[in-house]
Amino acid sequence: KQEVTQIPAALSVPEGENLVLNCSFTDSAIYNLQWFRQDPGKGLTSLLLIQSSQREQTSGRLNASLDKSSGRSTLYIAASQPGDSATYLCAVTSGSRLTFGEGTQLTVNP
Amino acid sequence: DGGITQSPKYLFRKEGQNVTLSCEQNLNHDAMYWYRQDPGQGLRLIYYSQIVNDFQKGDIAEGYSVSREKKESFPLTVTSAQKNPTAFYLCASSIGGTPGVETQYFGPGTRLLVL
Repeated sequence: KQEVTQIPAALSVPEGENLVLNCSFTDSAIYNLQWFRQDPGKGLTSLLLIQSSQREQTSGRLNASLDKSSGRSTLYIAASQPGDSATYLCAVTSGSRLTFGEGTQLTVNP
Repeated sequence: DGGITQSPKYLFRKEGQNVTLSCEQNLNHDAMYWYRQDPGQGLRLIYYSQIVNDFQKGDIAEGYSVSREKKESFPLTVTSAQKNPTAFYLCASSIGGTPGVETQYFGPGTRLLVL
């Protein structure tokens, strides 16, 4: 059974700092990996999707990497802003299921 | 304005009562999903439907039921058999196919509370 873990559970940084969120998964036979953003009491917004054959994807200040063999992904956020404050969820597709991690709650302080 | 709508935003359930959560999409997506999110946890799949008049159980289907009579609508009923229904419920849709293969688009969620 696929398990997804995200570290740290919570992170607080000053504005302007570069930061890395981590995601690990137990079964490397994945189809893709996605990073989502969730604002308090809201639904999820897809940020980046990395296919299993890809190593990374970039969108603006966000860069996600995937190392399938080691079961790891990172989400790099450059020059963080207070508007980046949210919970970031990692999810992997394997065996016709989308399995989510518990999320990292990010706070960017002005 | 395309998207997914969920109603109500908050729902209160009394002991022994069945309640139904609404999910509607106008994205012309074939596949729709229901997830449950508990505090500090990731999302868990309750049910999903890849086509009208067909649906499959997810990982935590016990105590829930669904129907898919129209492409646009995928209501979720939380039955009295679900003993711990307090959670945040999220509906999602995708173009079609296997869950997770295409990007899923999420609604704003319904928070269910037990009185």
